[in-house]
Amino acid sequence: DIQMTQSPSSLSASVGDRVTITCRASQGIGIYLAWYQQKPGKVPKFLIYAASTLQSGVPSRFSGSGSGTDFTLTISSLQPEDVATYYCQKYNGAPFTFGPGTKVDIK
Amino acid sequence: QVQLVQSGAEVKKPGASVKVSCKASGYTFTSNYMHWVLQAPGQGFEWMGIINPSCGSTSYAQKFQGRVTLTRDTSTSTVYMELSSLRSEDTAVYYCARADSTTYYLDYWGQGTLVTVSS
Repeated sequence: DIQMTQSPSSLSASVGDRVTITCRASQGIGIYLAWYQQKPGKVPKFLIYAASTLQSGVPSRFSGSGSGTDFTLTISSLQPEDVATYYCQKYNGAPFTFGPGTKVDIK
Repeated sequence: QVQLVQSGAEVKKPGASVKVSCKASGYTFTSNYMHWVLQAPGQGFEWMGIINPSCGSTSYAQKFQGRVTLTRDTSTSTVYMELSSLRSEDTAVYYCARADSTTYYLDYWGQGTLVTVSS
């Protein structure tokens, strides 16, 4: 099975900072990569599909890129409401494995 | 609007089974697959399985094969997740999540159901 890893596992940044999270697949998955945001105590929210396509309503400060095995989620200007854990997930076929998550905090 | 409403929290003893429901509304039930995902306390997400509500076909994660059963009732637009031979490590929040109609990313999530396994 394809394994998903994320780095860093956590980060702390200041409001307005550019934040980048990396997701890596153990084998190529094309662009079948999604990103989700889970705020503390809340239901996950779907952010990005096809590696770089923003779901409707997602703020434009979020962006995604990559293909094959290496992907990134970028927050161009971190806001207090972005405090959350971010997960990547492959969806090119079962099993639909998630990455372990990256916790984002405000410094 | 798409809504996935799950059944309430459960407390079960080790060795028992639990059945969680997920009632869908706001879209054509048979047009989208449904995933089930679990999140243990303080942990990330683990994919359990997926069901095609149109025909009932399923695919399960190897880890849960033989212990999990996904079913659906098209008359009530409800999918069910049954997990048997419960152990303490199964204590988690269980989510149903709709798959996009053309691919498999999870575009809408239920509110989650906490299952606690304790003697």
